[in-house]
Amino acid sequence: GNSVTQMEGPVTLSEEAFLTINCTYTATGYPSLFWYVQYPGEGLQLLLKATKADDKGSNKGFEATYRKETTSFHLEKGSVQVSDSAVYFCALSPQGGSEKLVFGKGTKLTVNP
Amino acid sequence: GAVVSQHPSWVICKSGTSVKIECRSLDFQATTMFWYRQFPKQSLMLMATSNEGSKATYEQGVEKDKFLINHASLTLSTLTVTSAHPEDSSFYICSAQDSYTDTQYFGPGTRLTVL
Repeated sequence: GNSVTQMEGPVTLSEEAFLTINCTYTATGYPSLFWYVQYPGEGLQLLLKATKADDKGSNKGFEATYRKETTSFHLEKGSVQVSDSAVYFCALSPQGGSEKLVFGKGTKLTVNP
Repeated sequence: GAVVSQHPSWVICKSGTSVKIECRSLDFQATTMFWYRQFPKQSLMLMATSNEGSKATYEQGVEKDKFLINHASLTLSTLTVTSAHPEDSSFYICSAQDSYTDTQYFGPGTRLTVL
Protein backbone atom coordinates (compact mmCIF):
# COMPACT_ATOMS: atom_id res chain seq x y z
CA GLY A 1 0.00 0.00 0.00
CA ASN A 2 0.84 3.67 0.15
CA SER A 3 2.46 5.14 3.24
CA VAL A 4 4.69 7.96 4.42
CA THR A 5 7.19 7.79 7.26
CA GLN A 6 8.76 10.95 8.60
CA MET A 7 11.12 11.53 11.48
CA GLU A 8 9.48 11.91 14.82
CA GLY A 9 9.79 15.15 16.63
CA PRO A 10 9.79 17.39 18.27
CA VAL A 11 12.80 19.09 16.75
CA THR A 12 14.29 22.08 18.54
CA LEU A 13 16.89 24.27 16.85
CA SER A 14 18.54 27.61 17.38
CA GLU A 15 18.01 30.37 14.86
CA GLU A 16 20.24 30.08 11.76
CA ALA A 17 20.79 26.34 12.30
CA PHE A 18 20.52 23.84 9.45
CA LEU A 19 17.31 21.85 9.26
CA THR A 20 16.67 18.37 7.91
CA ILE A 21 13.41 16.51 8.34
CA ASN A 22 13.57 13.04 6.88
CA CYS A 23 10.71 11.57 4.90
CA THR A 24 10.51 8.21 3.14
CA TYR A 25 7.59 6.74 1.30
CA THR A 26 6.11 3.54 -0.03
CA ALA A 27 3.92 3.74 -3.09
CA THR A 28 2.86 1.88 -6.17
CA GLY A 29 3.17 3.68 -9.44
CA TYR A 30 4.50 7.21 -9.72
CA PRO A 31 3.31 9.38 -6.86
CA SER A 32 3.64 13.11 -6.41
CA LEU A 33 5.30 14.21 -3.17
CA PHE A 34 4.46 17.19 -0.97
CA TRP A 35 5.52 19.04 2.13
CA TYR A 36 2.80 20.88 4.03
CA VAL A 37 3.32 23.26 6.94
CA GLN A 38 0.86 24.06 9.71
CA TYR A 39 1.46 27.19 11.73
CA PRO A 40 -0.21 27.45 15.15
CA GLY A 41 -3.95 27.98 14.84
CA GLU A 42 -3.96 27.75 11.05
CA GLY A 43 -4.76 25.15 8.40
CA LEU A 44 -2.15 23.16 6.52
CA GLN A 45 -0.47 25.10 3.74
CA LEU A 46 1.36 23.63 0.78
CA LEU A 47 5.06 24.40 1.22
CA LEU A 48 6.50 22.65 -1.84
CA LYS A 49 5.98 19.72 -4.11
CA ALA A 50 7.66 17.49 -6.69
CA THR A 51 5.87 15.44 -9.28
CA LYS A 52 8.57 13.18 -10.69
CA ALA A 53 11.93 11.64 -9.85
CA ASP A 54 14.85 14.05 -9.43
CA ASP A 55 12.54 17.06 -9.29
CA LYS A 56 13.44 19.58 -6.61
CA GLY A 57 10.68 21.53 -4.92
CA SER A 58 11.61 24.79 -3.23
CA ASN A 59 9.86 27.62 -1.42
CA LYS A 60 10.75 30.14 1.31
CA GLY A 61 14.29 28.75 1.55
CA PHE A 62 13.08 25.17 2.00
CA GLU A 63 14.06 22.47 -0.48
CA ALA A 64 13.28 18.80 -1.05
CA THR A 65 14.39 16.48 -3.84
CA TYR A 66 12.33 13.54 -5.09
CA ARG A 67 14.70 10.55 -4.83
CA LYS A 68 13.16 7.49 -6.36
CA GLU A 69 16.18 5.25 -5.70
CA THR A 70 15.95 5.85 -1.95
CA THR A 71 12.18 6.57 -1.92
CA SER A 72 12.87 9.75 0.00
CA PHE A 73 11.81 13.39 0.01
CA HIS A 74 13.79 14.98 2.83
CA LEU A 75 13.05 18.60 3.73
CA GLU A 76 16.02 20.94 4.21
CA LYS A 77 16.64 24.58 5.01
CA GLY A 78 20.06 26.12 5.40
CA SER A 79 19.23 28.69 8.07
CA VAL A 80 16.01 28.48 10.05
CA GLN A 81 14.20 31.42 11.61
CA VAL A 82 11.93 31.67 14.62
CA SER A 83 9.03 32.18 12.23
CA ASP A 84 9.64 28.68 10.80
CA SER A 85 8.34 27.14 14.02
CA ALA A 86 5.44 24.94 12.92
CA VAL A 87 4.42 21.36 12.27
CA TYR A 88 5.65 19.93 8.96
CA PHE A 89 3.84 17.12 7.16
CA CYS A 90 5.24 15.00 4.35
CA ALA A 91 2.59 13.61 2.00
CA LEU A 92 2.15 11.73 -1.24
CA SER A 93 -0.54 11.51 -3.83
CA PRO A 94 -0.66 8.02 -5.30
CA GLN A 95 -2.41 9.17 -8.44
CA GLY A 96 0.12 11.89 -9.16
CA GLY A 97 -2.26 14.79 -8.73
CA SER A 98 -3.16 16.47 -5.48
CA GLU A 99 -6.10 14.27 -4.62
CA LYS A 100 -6.26 11.54 -1.99
CA LEU A 101 -3.23 12.64 -0.04
CA VAL A 102 -1.50 10.18 2.27
CA PHE A 103 0.21 11.99 5.15
CA GLY A 104 3.04 11.28 7.53
CA LYS A 105 2.53 11.91 11.24
CA GLY A 106 4.02 15.38 11.20
CA THR A 107 7.15 16.80 12.79
CA LYS A 108 6.93 19.72 15.17
CA LEU A 109 9.76 22.22 14.75
CA THR A 110 10.58 24.84 17.35
CA VAL A 111 13.20 27.46 16.55
CA ASN A 112 14.59 29.43 19.47
CA PRO A 113 16.11 32.90 19.11
CA GLY B 1 -4.25 33.34 -1.02
CA ALA B 2 -7.16 30.93 -1.00
CA VAL B 3 -8.89 30.52 2.34
CA VAL B 4 -10.92 27.66 3.72
CA SER B 5 -12.90 28.13 6.90
CA GLN B 6 -14.39 25.61 9.27
CA HIS B 7 -17.14 26.14 11.78
CA PRO B 8 -17.17 25.56 14.63
CA SER B 9 -13.51 25.50 15.58
CA TRP B 10 -14.31 23.39 18.60
CA VAL B 11 -17.41 21.68 19.96
CA ILE B 12 -18.29 19.67 23.04
CA CYS B 13 -21.40 17.51 22.95
CA LYS B 14 -23.11 14.77 24.90
CA SER B 15 -23.00 11.17 23.80
CA GLY B 16 -25.86 10.32 21.45
CA THR B 17 -26.24 13.77 19.95
CA SER B 18 -25.39 14.80 16.39
CA VAL B 19 -22.86 17.46 15.45
CA LYS B 20 -22.56 19.31 12.15
CA ILE B 21 -19.27 20.78 10.94
CA GLU B 22 -19.16 23.23 8.04
CA CYS B 23 -16.34 23.69 5.57
CA ARG B 24 -16.38 26.72 3.27
CA SER B 25 -14.09 27.87 0.49
CA LEU B 26 -14.18 31.64 0.84
CA ASP B 27 -12.76 32.95 -2.41
CA PHE B 28 -12.75 30.08 -4.86
CA GLN B 29 -14.98 27.32 -6.12
CA ALA B 30 -14.38 23.76 -5.04
CA THR B 31 -15.99 20.93 -6.93
CA THR B 32 -14.21 18.52 -4.62
CA MET B 33 -13.69 18.73 -0.88
CA PHE B 34 -12.03 16.23 1.42
CA TRP B 35 -12.64 15.34 5.05
CA TYR B 36 -9.80 14.12 7.24
CA ARG B 37 -9.57 12.94 10.81
CA GLN B 38 -6.51 13.34 13.00
CA PHE B 39 -5.83 11.62 16.30
CA PRO B 40 -3.19 12.97 18.70
CA LYS B 41 0.33 12.40 17.38
CA GLN B 42 -1.07 10.62 14.33
CA SER B 43 -1.22 11.57 10.71
CA LEU B 44 -4.28 12.91 8.93
CA MET B 45 -6.45 10.07 7.71
CA LEU B 46 -8.71 10.66 4.74
CA MET B 47 -12.29 9.84 5.62
CA ALA B 48 -14.16 10.75 2.47
CA THR B 49 -14.13 12.68 -0.76
CA SER B 50 -17.05 15.04 -1.23
CA ASN B 51 -18.14 16.00 -4.74
CA GLU B 52 -20.55 18.84 -5.35
CA GLY B 53 -23.98 17.59 -6.32
CA SER B 54 -23.23 13.90 -5.87
CA LYS B 55 -22.73 11.33 -3.15
CA ALA B 56 -19.53 11.31 -1.17
CA THR B 57 -16.97 8.55 -1.62
CA TYR B 58 -15.94 7.03 1.69
CA GLU B 59 -12.61 5.40 2.48
CA GLN B 60 -12.54 1.82 3.63
CA GLY B 61 -13.58 1.45 7.24
CA VAL B 62 -15.45 4.76 7.46
CA GLU B 63 -19.16 4.36 8.25
CA LYS B 64 -21.17 6.41 5.78
CA ASP B 65 -24.26 6.33 7.99
CA LYS B 66 -22.25 7.63 10.90
CA PHE B 67 -20.48 10.43 9.07
CA LEU B 68 -22.97 12.13 6.76
CA ILE B 69 -21.48 14.40 4.12
CA ASN B 70 -23.37 16.95 2.07
CA HIS B 71 -21.79 19.09 -0.63
CA ALA B 72 -24.70 21.17 -1.84
CA SER B 73 -22.78 24.06 -3.39
CA LEU B 74 -19.38 24.84 -4.85
CA THR B 75 -18.29 26.58 -1.66
CA LEU B 76 -19.81 24.51 1.15
CA SER B 77 -19.51 20.96 2.41
CA THR B 78 -20.85 19.71 5.72
CA LEU B 79 -19.91 16.72 7.86
CA THR B 80 -22.48 15.51 10.36
CA VAL B 81 -21.35 13.10 13.04
CA THR B 82 -24.54 11.27 13.96
CA SER B 83 -25.19 9.77 17.39
CA ALA B 84 -21.72 10.77 18.51
CA HIS B 85 -19.85 8.67 21.05
CA PRO B 86 -16.64 9.36 22.99
CA GLU B 87 -14.59 7.38 20.47
CA ASP B 88 -15.61 9.91 17.81
CA SER B 89 -13.70 12.60 19.70
CA SER B 90 -11.02 13.80 17.34
CA PHE B 91 -9.74 16.66 15.21
CA TYR B 92 -11.63 16.92 11.93
CA ILE B 93 -10.00 18.77 9.05
CA CYS B 94 -11.45 19.60 5.66
CA SER B 95 -9.75 20.66 2.48
CA ALA B 96 -11.12 22.17 -0.70
CA GLN B 97 -9.66 21.59 -4.12
CA ASP B 98 -9.62 24.66 -6.34
CA SER B 99 -11.55 23.68 -9.46
CA TYR B 100 -9.14 25.59 -11.74
CA THR B 101 -5.73 24.83 -10.23
CA ASP B 102 -6.39 21.44 -8.54
CA THR B 103 -4.52 22.72 -5.47
CA GLN B 104 -5.90 21.59 -2.10
CA TYR B 105 -6.39 24.25 0.56
CA PHE B 106 -6.95 23.17 4.13
CA GLY B 107 -9.23 24.48 6.84
CA PRO B 108 -7.95 25.10 10.38
CA GLY B 109 -9.77 22.07 11.77
CA THR B 110 -12.57 21.38 14.27
CA ARG B 111 -11.90 19.82 17.65
CA LEU B 112 -14.80 17.53 18.63
CA THR B 113 -15.08 16.25 22.18
CA VAL B 114 -17.91 13.85 23.01
CA LEU B 115 -18.65 13.42 26.70
